[in-house]
Amino acid sequence: DAGVIQSPRHEVTEMGQEVTLRCKPISGHDYLFWYRQTMMRGLELLIYFNNNVPIDDSGMPEDRFSAKMPNASFSTLKIQPSEPRDSAVYFCASSLGSGGKYRGETQYFGPGTRLLVL
Amino acid sequence: AQSVAQPEDQVNVAEGNPLTVKCTYSVSGNPYLFWYVQYPNRGLQFLLKYITGDNLVKGSYGFEAEFNKSQTSFHLKKPSALVSDSALYFCAVTGFQKLVFGTGTRLLVSP
Repeated sequence: DAGVIQSPRHEVTEMGQEVTLRCKPISGHDYLFWYRQTMMRGLELLIYFNNNVPIDDSGMPEDRFSAKMPNASFSTLKIQPSEPRDSAVYFCASSLGSGGKYRGETQYFGPGTRLLVL
Repeated sequence: AQSVAQPEDQVNVAEGNPLTVKCTYSVSGNPYLFWYVQYPNRGLQFLLKYITGDNLVKGSYGFEAEFNKSQTSFHLKKPSALVSDSALYFCAVTGFQKLVFGTGTRLLVSP
């Protein structure tokens, strides 16, 4: 099992550019989560999907952020236009179930994408 | 709303000594509690979880955690620390559908 796969691992871009982060969840997992980690704010949940459908995007900071999950094995997080304050590590995680009777299910995290916006 | 608190930003311990990383929680209903570890430049790795049953939960790398309902705590422990245990540790509790993380505790194990 390859675990959760994220690409790229590192991204350096200039302010105003579009950034696309990619995630492949663990096969068979029906929940996918996007998190952002910064020193100031810690670990924040941005959005999560169930069976490819966005369930809660209340953590998405602004309209500049968007996320999609076109199929069960692929998700993207896009920032357009990017700003220096978006610099952070972005994690993708997946789980087999979440909440309700699945509250005990474990989320498995990818290695993260370290984004630097100059 | 569900929440967890990790009261210590950093814990220092000498190699070979026992370690404890503290976590308290607040949740409606039965708690589902997790510990994750993050090594430098890596993602979060699952260590252990409490769902129900025995209050002492054993996990990866020799770690264990003790669930205490009366004190609403879920402290992470290890009998003998290793330098390689130095990392950032996160406690988390499952809410209605989300996993709510604490702010993290940095563990430094000195040789």
